[in-house]
Amino acid sequence: KQEVTQIPAALSVPEGENLVLNCSFTDSAIYNLQWFRQDPGKGLTSLLLIQSSQREQTSGRLNASLDKSSGRSTLYIAASQPGDSATYLCAVKANSKLTFGKGITLSVRP
Amino acid sequence: DTEVTQTPKHLVMGMTNKKSLKCEQHMGHRAMYWYKQKAKKPPELMFVYSYEKLSINESVPSRFSPECPNSSLLNLHLHALQPEDSALYLCASSQVGRVAEAKNIQYFGAGTRLSVL
Repeated sequence: KQEVTQIPAALSVPEGENLVLNCSFTDSAIYNLQWFRQDPGKGLTSLLLIQSSQREQTSGRLNASLDKSSGRSTLYIAASQPGDSATYLCAVKANSKLTFGKGITLSVRP
Repeated sequence: DTEVTQTPKHLVMGMTNKKSLKCEQHMGHRAMYWYKQKAKKPPELMFVYSYEKLSINESVPSRFSPECPNSSLLNLHLHALQPEDSALYLCASSQVGRVAEAKNIQYFGAGTRLSVL
Protein backbone atom coordinates (compact mmCIF):
# COMPACT_ATOMS: atom_id res chain seq x y z
CA LYS A 1 0.00 0.00 0.00
CA GLN A 2 1.37 3.39 -1.03
CA GLU A 3 2.32 5.71 1.82
CA VAL A 4 3.24 9.35 1.34
CA THR A 5 5.10 11.22 4.04
CA GLN A 6 5.70 14.93 4.44
CA ILE A 7 7.97 16.15 7.20
CA PRO A 8 7.87 18.49 9.05
CA ALA A 9 4.14 19.05 9.56
CA ALA A 10 4.65 22.79 9.95
CA LEU A 11 7.28 25.33 8.99
CA SER A 12 7.71 29.04 9.78
CA VAL A 13 10.17 31.18 7.85
CA PRO A 14 10.89 34.91 7.44
CA GLU A 15 9.87 36.60 4.21
CA GLY A 16 12.39 36.38 1.40
CA GLU A 17 13.84 33.03 2.43
CA ASN A 18 14.28 30.24 -0.11
CA LEU A 19 12.82 27.00 1.19
CA VAL A 20 12.44 23.34 0.36
CA LEU A 21 9.47 21.15 1.17
CA ASN A 22 10.06 17.40 1.16
CA CYS A 23 7.83 14.51 0.17
CA SER A 24 8.62 10.79 0.22
CA PHE A 25 6.65 7.80 -1.02
CA THR A 26 7.05 4.07 -0.56
CA ASP A 27 6.05 2.58 -3.93
CA SER A 28 7.93 3.90 -6.98
CA ALA A 29 5.35 2.50 -9.44
CA ILE A 30 3.64 5.84 -9.99
CA TYR A 31 2.31 7.70 -13.03
CA ASN A 32 2.97 11.17 -11.68
CA LEU A 33 3.37 13.32 -8.60
CA GLN A 34 1.41 16.50 -7.99
CA TRP A 35 2.02 19.33 -5.57
CA PHE A 36 -1.06 21.16 -4.34
CA ARG A 37 -1.68 24.25 -2.25
CA GLN A 38 -4.62 24.48 0.14
CA ASP A 39 -5.70 27.62 1.96
CA PRO A 40 -7.69 27.15 5.20
CA GLY A 41 -11.19 25.80 4.53
CA LYS A 42 -10.66 25.92 0.76
CA GLY A 43 -10.17 23.46 -2.06
CA LEU A 44 -6.89 22.32 -3.56
CA THR A 45 -5.00 24.28 -6.19
CA SER A 46 -2.66 22.30 -8.41
CA LEU A 47 0.81 23.86 -8.45
CA LEU A 48 2.96 21.45 -10.42
CA LEU A 49 2.68 17.98 -11.90
CA ILE A 50 5.75 15.87 -12.62
CA GLN A 51 5.29 12.85 -14.84
CA SER A 52 7.08 9.68 -13.78
CA SER A 53 9.47 10.06 -16.73
CA GLN A 54 10.42 13.63 -15.77
CA ARG A 55 12.92 14.93 -13.24
CA GLU A 56 11.57 18.41 -12.57
CA GLN A 57 9.01 21.07 -13.39
CA THR A 58 9.10 24.81 -12.89
CA SER A 59 6.41 27.45 -12.59
CA GLY A 60 7.42 30.96 -11.59
CA ARG A 61 9.09 30.86 -8.17
CA LEU A 62 8.27 27.17 -7.76
CA ASN A 63 10.43 24.24 -8.80
CA ALA A 64 9.54 20.63 -8.11
CA SER A 65 11.87 17.68 -8.54
CA LEU A 66 11.23 13.97 -8.62
CA ASP A 67 13.57 11.08 -7.90
CA LYS A 68 11.31 8.12 -8.52
CA SER A 69 13.88 5.45 -7.73
CA SER A 70 14.48 6.80 -4.26
CA GLY A 71 10.83 7.74 -3.69
CA ARG A 72 11.44 11.44 -3.10
CA SER A 73 10.21 14.78 -4.34
CA THR A 74 11.00 18.32 -3.30
CA LEU A 75 9.17 21.58 -3.82
CA TYR A 76 11.50 24.57 -3.90
CA ILE A 77 9.98 27.99 -3.24
CA ALA A 78 12.21 30.94 -4.06
CA ALA A 79 12.01 34.30 -2.32
CA SER A 80 9.07 33.34 -0.11
CA GLN A 81 6.26 35.86 0.48
CA PRO A 82 3.53 36.09 3.16
CA GLY A 83 1.03 35.17 0.43
CA ASP A 84 2.74 31.78 0.16
CA SER A 85 1.39 30.88 3.61
CA ALA A 86 -0.80 27.80 3.14
CA THR A 87 -0.71 24.02 3.44
CA TYR A 88 1.25 22.26 0.72
CA LEU A 89 0.30 18.68 -0.11
CA CYS A 90 2.04 16.24 -2.37
CA ALA A 91 0.15 13.37 -3.96
CA VAL A 92 1.26 10.43 -6.07
CA LYS A 93 -0.91 8.83 -8.73
CA ALA A 94 -1.18 5.12 -9.41
CA ASN A 95 -4.10 2.96 -10.61
CA SER A 96 -6.36 5.99 -11.12
CA LYS A 97 -5.94 7.00 -7.48
CA LEU A 98 -4.16 9.91 -5.84
CA THR A 99 -2.55 9.17 -2.48
CA PHE A 100 -1.88 12.28 -0.46
CA GLY A 101 0.63 13.15 2.19
CA LYS A 102 -0.63 14.92 5.31
CA GLY A 103 0.74 18.24 4.11
CA ILE A 104 3.15 20.87 5.38
CA THR A 105 1.63 24.04 6.82
CA LEU A 106 3.86 26.92 5.83
CA SER A 107 3.83 30.30 7.52
CA VAL A 108 5.89 33.11 5.98
CA ARG A 109 6.45 35.95 8.47
CA PRO A 110 6.58 39.53 7.12
CA ASP B 1 -11.24 27.38 -17.99
CA THR B 2 -9.96 25.00 -15.32
CA GLU B 3 -12.85 25.42 -12.95
CA VAL B 4 -14.69 22.77 -10.99
CA THR B 5 -17.80 24.25 -9.39
CA GLN B 6 -19.31 22.78 -6.24
CA THR B 7 -22.63 23.71 -4.66
CA PRO B 8 -23.60 24.46 -2.01
CA LYS B 9 -20.52 25.92 -0.29
CA HIS B 10 -21.93 25.13 3.14
CA LEU B 11 -24.58 22.63 4.24
CA VAL B 12 -26.03 21.89 7.65
CA MET B 13 -28.27 18.85 7.96
CA GLY B 14 -29.86 16.67 10.58
CA MET B 15 -29.31 12.95 10.79
CA THR B 16 -32.71 12.22 9.24
CA ASN B 17 -32.39 14.63 6.31
CA LYS B 18 -31.74 13.85 2.67
CA LYS B 19 -29.55 16.28 0.79
CA SER B 20 -27.36 16.34 -2.31
CA LEU B 21 -24.01 17.85 -3.21
CA LYS B 22 -23.43 18.96 -6.77
CA CYS B 23 -20.26 19.22 -8.83
CA GLU B 24 -19.91 20.55 -12.36
CA GLN B 25 -17.03 20.92 -14.83
CA HIS B 26 -16.87 21.97 -18.47
CA MET B 27 -13.31 20.97 -19.31
CA GLY B 28 -14.37 17.85 -21.19
CA HIS B 29 -12.94 15.63 -18.46
CA ARG B 30 -14.33 12.11 -18.40
CA ALA B 31 -13.08 11.19 -14.90
CA MET B 32 -14.67 12.71 -11.81
CA TYR B 33 -13.93 12.10 -8.15
CA TRP B 34 -15.37 12.61 -4.68
CA TYR B 35 -13.04 13.08 -1.73
CA LYS B 36 -13.72 13.58 1.98
CA GLN B 37 -11.38 15.74 4.04
CA LYS B 38 -11.48 16.05 7.81
CA ALA B 39 -9.79 18.97 9.55
CA LYS B 40 -5.98 18.90 9.38
CA LYS B 41 -6.06 15.61 7.43
CA PRO B 42 -5.36 14.89 3.76
CA PRO B 43 -8.23 14.23 1.34
CA GLU B 44 -9.47 10.64 1.26
CA LEU B 45 -10.80 9.20 -1.98
CA MET B 46 -14.44 8.07 -1.86
CA PHE B 47 -15.55 7.43 -5.45
CA VAL B 48 -14.21 7.59 -9.00
CA TYR B 49 -16.34 7.83 -12.12
CA SER B 50 -14.85 7.10 -15.51
CA TYR B 51 -16.95 7.78 -18.61
CA GLU B 52 -19.98 8.26 -16.36
CA LYS B 53 -19.60 4.80 -14.82
CA LEU B 54 -18.57 4.11 -11.24
CA SER B 55 -15.09 2.61 -11.40
CA ILE B 56 -13.88 2.89 -7.81
CA ASN B 57 -15.79 2.81 -4.52
CA GLU B 58 -13.45 2.96 -1.57
CA SER B 59 -15.79 0.95 0.69
CA VAL B 60 -17.88 4.02 1.41
CA PRO B 61 -21.03 3.49 3.56
CA SER B 62 -24.27 3.30 1.61
CA ARG B 63 -25.58 6.48 3.23
CA PHE B 64 -23.40 8.18 0.57
CA SER B 65 -24.78 7.57 -2.92
CA PRO B 66 -22.94 8.99 -5.94
CA GLU B 67 -24.51 9.71 -9.29
CA CYS B 68 -23.05 10.86 -12.60
CA PRO B 69 -25.99 11.90 -14.83
CA ASN B 70 -23.76 13.19 -17.64
CA SER B 71 -20.13 13.88 -18.46
CA SER B 72 -20.19 17.34 -16.83
CA LEU B 73 -22.09 16.64 -13.66
CA LEU B 74 -21.44 14.63 -10.51
CA ASN B 75 -23.78 14.40 -7.53
CA LEU B 76 -23.39 12.98 -4.06
CA HIS B 77 -26.68 12.06 -2.39
CA LEU B 78 -26.66 12.04 1.39
CA HIS B 79 -29.11 10.22 3.64
CA ALA B 80 -29.13 9.33 7.34
CA LEU B 81 -25.66 10.75 7.94
CA GLN B 82 -23.86 10.65 11.26
CA PRO B 83 -22.14 13.56 13.03
CA GLU B 84 -18.76 11.99 12.22
CA ASP B 85 -19.55 12.51 8.53
CA SER B 86 -19.08 16.25 9.05
CA ALA B 87 -16.19 17.25 6.79
CA LEU B 88 -15.16 19.14 3.67
CA TYR B 89 -16.32 17.23 0.59
CA LEU B 90 -14.18 17.85 -2.47
CA CYS B 91 -14.94 17.09 -6.08
CA ALA B 92 -12.22 16.75 -8.70
CA SER B 93 -11.98 15.99 -12.40
CA SER B 94 -9.31 14.94 -14.85
CA GLN B 95 -8.81 13.54 -18.31
CA VAL B 96 -8.78 9.78 -18.53
CA GLY B 97 -6.90 7.23 -20.60
CA ARG B 98 -3.78 5.12 -20.05
CA VAL B 99 -1.71 7.04 -22.60
CA ALA B 100 -2.45 10.35 -20.91
CA GLU B 101 -2.47 8.96 -17.37
CA ALA B 102 0.89 10.47 -16.47
CA LYS B 103 -0.08 13.94 -17.69
CA ASN B 104 -3.50 14.13 -16.10
CA ILE B 105 -3.77 16.95 -13.62
CA GLN B 106 -6.63 16.60 -11.17
CA TYR B 107 -8.51 19.85 -10.78
CA PHE B 108 -10.37 20.37 -7.53
CA GLY B 109 -13.41 22.39 -6.61
CA ALA B 110 -13.58 24.64 -3.56
CA GLY B 111 -15.53 22.01 -1.65
CA THR B 112 -18.76 21.80 0.34
CA ARG B 113 -18.41 22.22 4.10
CA LEU B 114 -20.90 19.74 5.58
CA SER B 115 -22.06 19.79 9.19
CA VAL B 116 -24.28 16.97 10.47
CA LEU B 117 -26.16 17.75 13.66
